[in-house]
Amino acid sequence: SQQGEEDPQALSIQEGENATMNCSYKTSINNLQWYRQNSGRGLVHLILIRSNEREKHSGRLRVTLDTSKKSSSLLITASRAADTASYFCATISGNTDKLIFGTGTRLQVFP
Amino acid sequence: NAGVMQNPRHLVRRRGQEARLRCSPMKGHSHVYWYRQLPEEGLKFMVYLQKENIIDESGMPKERFSAEFPKEGPSILRIQQVVRGDSAAYFCASSPPKITGANVLTFGAGSRLTVL
Repeated sequence: SQQGEEDPQALSIQEGENATMNCSYKTSINNLQWYRQNSGRGLVHLILIRSNEREKHSGRLRVTLDTSKKSSSLLITASRAADTASYFCATISGNTDKLIFGTGTRLQVFP
Repeated sequence: NAGVMQNPRHLVRRRGQEARLRCSPMKGHSHVYWYRQLPEEGLKFMVYLQKENIIDESGMPKERFSAEFPKEGPSILRIQQVVRGDSAAYFCASSPPKITGANVLTFGAGSRLTVL
């Protein structure tokens, strides 16, 4: 079953603009992670935010988490054409160690 | 320091044949996950294993699908009597001996199964 739903499904922007992707989930979580997938490739881990954290930064990435709204956002600042990919949120809940992925946002950055 | 290795990268089977997909986890990783991805969709969890033990197979179809992770050798996802609906990309991921609730997965490049 899918835990996360992402919004928008697709996003097209120009290089230099910021890209914001949102993820909503259904049950309480231990942590939330964001992954990136280039076309035809496996997923690459970007960033993890724990349930007791509200914001986290990594380079041009900024992730926020609002557990009261069961939502997270991923902001990519000063986007580059190389950021073109699909971005997925993923959650771990309870005592399980399985990671459940959202539906993904396809980001296209035009040069 | 090789990452997660999956083979074959591409596999073509006719309906009714068997498909075997292999996954060697990253060195030092003890846990293996299998996910299925249909075109333009997200990843669907299938099964989670450690050596000689299936931990969670709640995402596995009840029939035709099985997974193992033997003491020696790679993890194998086996699909018997394949049907066209099994055509998908199958991704394997691994993680180290775990900190519960903080798993970060390393993914392989995937195996793309096409059923004719």
